[in-house]
Amino acid sequence: DIVMTQTPLSLSVTPGQPASISCKSSQSLLHSDGKTYLYWYLQKPGQSPQLLIYEVSSRFSGVPDRFSGSGSGTDFTLKISRVEAEDVGVYYCMQGIHLPITFGQGTRLEIK
Amino acid sequence: EVQLVESGGGLVQPGRSLRLSCTASGFTFGDYAMSWVRQAPGKGLEWVGFIRSKAYGGTTEYAASVKGRFTISRDDSKSIAYLQMNSLKTEDTAVYYCTRGPPMDVWGKGTTVTVSS
Repeated sequence: DIVMTQTPLSLSVTPGQPASISCKSSQSLLHSDGKTYLYWYLQKPGQSPQLLIYEVSSRFSGVPDRFSGSGSGTDFTLKISRVEAEDVGVYYCMQGIHLPITFGQGTRLEIK
Repeated sequence: EVQLVESGGGLVQPGRSLRLSCTASGFTFGDYAMSWVRQAPGKGLEWVGFIRSKAYGGTTEYAASVKGRFTISRDDSKSIAYLQMNSLKTEDTAVYYCTRGPPMDVWGKGTTVTVSS
């Protein structure tokens, strides 16, 4: 199984400051079709997860442009340019290229 | 509005069965694969399995932890996906989410399954 390792597991950020979460996969997520199947989700307190980023860097509909994704192969990063109070929750990366589909452990973001 | 609504959760004894339903609306259900993802209390997300659309054979894939016990099916005429759970174990206790895809771009609110004697 592909292991998805997120760091850090928690972070506390002052509103308006940037935040960054790393996700490393144990195998390359680059498919032969040229796409890389790495996704980012946010689970806000008491809510279902919501898709933020698909295929490494494409923002899902309605996701603010302060969220951005980057990376390739096995190393990926989610960045929030200016954290807002509504960004609190747990962030998960997920790989969708190899079965079983696997998630990272989650990174909890709190506001200082 | 694109929406997924899970139902069928509850308290069940170990070894018994339960069937969850996921009713979709707001999109052409038959065009999409449908997945189930669960979250044990205080834990992270765990993929359970998915069913491909009929265009891709309607075949299923499962996590090792549920393979042979859980079965995913779909009724495109009703826009419903099902998760049949047999031989339930205490470790199956979780909130079960229905989600569209991969890419899992739409999620339901989840239904809680508690396996306990």
